[in-house]
Amino acid sequence: AQKITQTQPGMFVQEKEAVTLDCTYDTSDQSYGLFWYKQPSSGEMIFLIYQGSYDEQNATEGRYSLNFQKARKSANLVISASQLGDSAMYFCAMRPRGGSYIPTFGRGTSLIVHP
Amino acid sequence: GAGVSQTPSNKVTEKGKYVELRCDPISGHTALYWYRQSLGQGPEFLIYFQGTGAADDSGLPNDRFFAVRPEGSVSTLKIQRTERGDSAVYLCASSPNTGQGRDGYTFGSGTRLTVV
Repeated sequence: AQKITQTQPGMFVQEKEAVTLDCTYDTSDQSYGLFWYKQPSSGEMIFLIYQGSYDEQNATEGRYSLNFQKARKSANLVISASQLGDSAMYFCAMRPRGGSYIPTFGRGTSLIVHP
Repeated sequence: GAGVSQTPSNKVTEKGKYVELRCDPISGHTALYWYRQSLGQGPEFLIYFQGTGAADDSGLPNDRFFAVRPEGSVSTLKIQRTERGDSAVYLCASSPNTGQGRDGYTFGSGTRLTVV
């Protein structure tokens, strides 16, 4: 079974600064996918970024990048140049490659961006 | 439709009653997932459909929970004899394939169920 751990219940960052949200996972699979989602107060889950376990480079999508360290089983999300609209819950998820390909989510980290 | 639509957005029901929650996925998406999100928690998997069939229902907590997707598009999550512990946000997500892609899953805004 997969397990996702997000150890930071809450994070605060100054507008325009960078912030790293931690995610570690536990799996015996060699092939899997990692996702990050943003959940604003409206409740909808918004897909941010994906990293495949065999991708040679760390994923980047605009201001989002993923610091993927496979040996340490960590997939930290880096948000550069934080904006007030980044304030939200952030969830890390892992999907195994096999079976039903069902993602397992962590408990989330609340990010608050201060002006 | 343009996105995943869930109705109702809010549902308040009395303990013991029956409720139905509806999910209308993105047109053409064959994979559909139901998750439950309790306060302060991440989404917890309930059931996964591939087309009309439930490919994995291992997350359903007990036999009071049931879901269908008769025509491979709209899905209904059904909860019998509701309990206060069923109060949560129920999220639906869809994906255009078997869920192996890199594009993530598109979620609806959820149905907030409150059992009083």
